[in-house]
Amino acid sequence: SQQGEEDPQALSIQEGENATMNCSYKTSINNLQWYRQNSGRGLVHLILIRSNEREKHSGRLRVTLDTSKKSSSLLITASRAADTASYFCATEGNFGNEKLTFGTGTRLTIIP
Amino acid sequence: DAMVIQNPRYQVTQFGKPVTLSCSQTLNHNVMYWYQQKSSQAPKLLFHYYDKDFNNEADTPDNFQSRRPNTSFCFLDIRSPGLGDAAMYLCATSSHGGESQYFGPGTRLTVL
Repeated sequence: SQQGEEDPQALSIQEGENATMNCSYKTSINNLQWYRQNSGRGLVHLILIRSNEREKHSGRLRVTLDTSKKSSSLLITASRAADTASYFCATEGNFGNEKLTFGTGTRLTIIP
Repeated sequence: DAMVIQNPRYQVTQFGKPVTLSCSQTLNHNVMYWYQQKSSQAPKLLFHYYDKDFNNEADTPDNFQSRRPNTSFCFLDIRSPGLGDAAMYLCATSSHGGESQYFGPGTRLTVL
């Protein structure tokens, strides 16, 4: 299976601290994406990083990609209570088949 | 606002009683996806349409069918729901396969 693994499975931090989540995958990719899911809701796209990119920023989010290690990390700086959610990485394989493969997710809890 | 809409948000059905979930989009995207997500798990792709081309995942049970009568609408039919089909069903769209996906809020299916 190409499914990604995310680490840690759950993370609790104090509001204002930084949160780092990691994603590993198994096969070559075209891009890697991060999504957020609030409890009982749909997923929201956060950021997309292509295989030829190493780092990308969006507001308080910073994503890195290391294709040699088949891994990515998502950093959320200055966390807020509203950041409490599950975070999933998803990869598009270079098969041209229009699909994403989602990782197992990290459950992030921000403690006010 | 352009969006992905799913109806109903909550669906209760009886064991073996057919049910249809609907998804509509105002984004005019070519690709529409149906995912099944069980508690604390990653979304699992059931099938997707690229325009009118239907793509079924190998492990999607025959009990699940889909229709896409036009660009805007896509339906998920569960012919004989079992207790194991209770889950959140997520619809998503993408302008091109492998790019960012836009998710609806999901339909929570309960099977009694």
